[in-house]
Amino acid sequence: QSVLTQPPSLSGAPGQRVTISCTGSSSNIGADFGVHWYQQFPGTAPRLLIYADTHRSSGVPGRFSGSKSGTSASLAIIGLQPEDEADYYCQSFDSSLSGWVFGGGTKVAVL
Amino acid sequence: VQLQESGPGLLKPSQTLSLTCTVSSGSLSSGNYYWSWIRQHPGKGLEWIGYIYQGGSTYYNPSLKSRVLMSIDASRNQFSLKMTSLTAADTAFYYCARAAAAAPDFWGPGTLVTVSS
Repeated sequence: QSVLTQPPSLSGAPGQRVTISCTGSSSNIGADFGVHWYQQFPGTAPRLLIYADTHRSSGVPGRFSGSKSGTSASLAIIGLQPEDEADYYCQSFDSSLSGWVFGGGTKVAVL
Repeated sequence: VQLQESGPGLLKPSQTLSLTCTVSSGSLSSGNYYWSWIRQHPGKGLEWIGYIYQGGSTYYNPSLKSRVLMSIDASRNQFSLKMTSLTAADTAFYYCARAAAAAPDFWGPGTLVTVSS
């Protein structure tokens, strides 16, 4: 059971908007620790997409955007593309554990 | 920056896992980086194992702390993970990664470690 909670799966048609939620608590996201998002394709290492809540990593398309409010954060894919079909993970720091915590991951399918 | 994990792929229960991550480009002793280990059980999510700061300070996941030891060999541009008392539950892909702050931005390709008798 992950400290950060994500929906297991989401889907959308090409061009649609998909939003992945990441719910934490007062010891991580709610304590204003940064939230980071990763994209992972089968058989490969995760790739940092969004860091510090809203900042896109180098080379990441503009259709990916991050936001945070209270004890939750979100990753939006605006204008879903077939190549966006992947697993997405959120991550933050937890003061109770004194370390990083991850969400359980969300599998995004492009219909 | 490129990172590459190396180590045995198959171990028996109760044995000790030793993995090394070799970093190309740049020095482990320069910059303010957290050199990290993260694992992923097959078909599951990501689990932080721990990280070591350039000065040698270590921070471990409390659930693994009693079995984990990390170290840095700056002369070889490598950092290492040792995990003792392995069980089948430690079967996973193990990734090394570099974090400039709180988010790993460069990852190794990962190595599968299987624990089986």
